[in-house]
Amino acid sequence: DTAVSQTPKYLVTQMGNDKSIKCEQNLGHDTMYWYKQDSKKFLKIMFSYNNKELIINETVPNRFSPKSPDKAHLNLHINSLELGDSAVYFCASSPSPSTSGTQHFGDGTRLSIL
Amino acid sequence: DAKTTQPTSMDCAEGRAANLPCNHSTISGNEYVYWYRQIHSQGPQYIIHGLKNNETNEMASLIITEDRKSSTLILPHATLRDTAVYYCIVRGGGTDKLIFGTGTRLQVFP
Repeated sequence: DTAVSQTPKYLVTQMGNDKSIKCEQNLGHDTMYWYKQDSKKFLKIMFSYNNKELIINETVPNRFSPKSPDKAHLNLHINSLELGDSAVYFCASSPSPSTSGTQHFGDGTRLSIL
Repeated sequence: DAKTTQPTSMDCAEGRAANLPCNHSTISGNEYVYWYRQIHSQGPQYIIHGLKNNETNEMASLIITEDRKSSTLILPHATLRDTAVYYCIVRGGGTDKLIFGTGTRLQVFP
């Protein structure tokens, strides 16, 4: 069973489009995260939710909007996609914010903007 | 910014121990050392963490110096599947974030 699953695995789309990436965890964790890994392989946190509430909101363009319908799901919606949004986006989860040192990651969504 | 310094890359022969160093000379008393790895095309994977005592689990051992300014991750019998980028991360308690640096690219060769 996949603990943290992301869909889609690959996403190729045109500049200006709107797209969503979905993430689900079956670990019973309260806290979920979105990270971005750019072409230089730097991995940076974008958002974190704890039990459906936003607790970390890094300096990310407001074209990016996370949504957590329940604590097992954290989706990422991106409006007006730009070339610089091309990256691998990782979802992760941890039991709680205080245990954020031990996170379980999904295998990423590779977003390519044409 | 990452609070750790790691070599850019290392090689290790299959079956031998891989010793990955990490410098964290500005670590504070309440900060833990975490190790993750990222195998190509996969998400990061938690390996081990420690505060000041040495730690061992089924994946690896973590040796932290007495002054806590550096640590070494030991993979006792490296396999080809251990080829990955290894990240050493210093994180405080509470709700501190994980901040990934550039890591060490470990290549295990036959």
